[in-house]
Amino acid sequence: QLQLQESGPGLVKPSETLSLTCTVSGGSISSGTYYWGWIRQPPGKGLEWIGSIYYSGSTYYNPSLKSRVTISVDTSKNQFSLKLSSVTAADTAVYYCARDFWSGPYYMDVWGNGTTVTVSS
Amino acid sequence: EIVLTQSPGTLSLSPGERATLSCRASQSVSSSYLTWYQQKPGQAPRLLIYDASSRATGIPDRFSGSGSGTDFTLTISRLEPEDFAVYYCQQYGSSPRTFGQGTNVEIK
Repeated sequence: QLQLQESGPGLVKPSETLSLTCTVSGGSISSGTYYWGWIRQPPGKGLEWIGSIYYSGSTYYNPSLKSRVTISVDTSKNQFSLKLSSVTAADTAVYYCARDFWSGPYYMDVWGNGTTVTVSS
Repeated sequence: EIVLTQSPGTLSLSPGERATLSCRASQSVSSSYLTWYQQKPGQAPRLLIYDASSRATGIPDRFSGSGSGTDFTLTISRLEPEDFAVYYCQQYGSSPRTFGQGTNVEIK
């Protein structure tokens, strides 16, 4: 059974870089049908797609975050990662990673439990 | 960017009742690219419906999706206690992928 698990610091200072990793178990990140995505949810608010990556390294980002986001993949570790630079309090959120079916339709069918990141000095 | 507007914001119903949730898009969305998720407090979203009307694996048949163009609907035919949650629609017919603001289905 495929499982995803987010990991990384729960507290990041303003202006610094948020770094998270998603470890995929029970399946290969190199599966051809899927991208692998990051989504976030500020406290008490809705969902925002951050971006998605294919095992080859091809990426798609939300234009609203594109200038600050880098998503990368490490197939040898079955992991993909998120870096968000120059964070502010507005980046405080629960961050989810998910398997992203990318063949029209587009949907995320397996999610991690999420990790809470707080931006504060 | 396509804006998805969900209504109502909150739906107060009793178990056994029918729930009808609306998702309206600011521009036409291909049905293949309209998805519904369920989220319970403290949990990750769960895929319910993709292709506007196809149930995901393991989703009970009391959940159904319909619609096309700019108007889509999620229907729960008879609410079970475990169905009280927040429901989000999502589109990716046009970049970026966007979500609606959610409909909270609460126990009356």
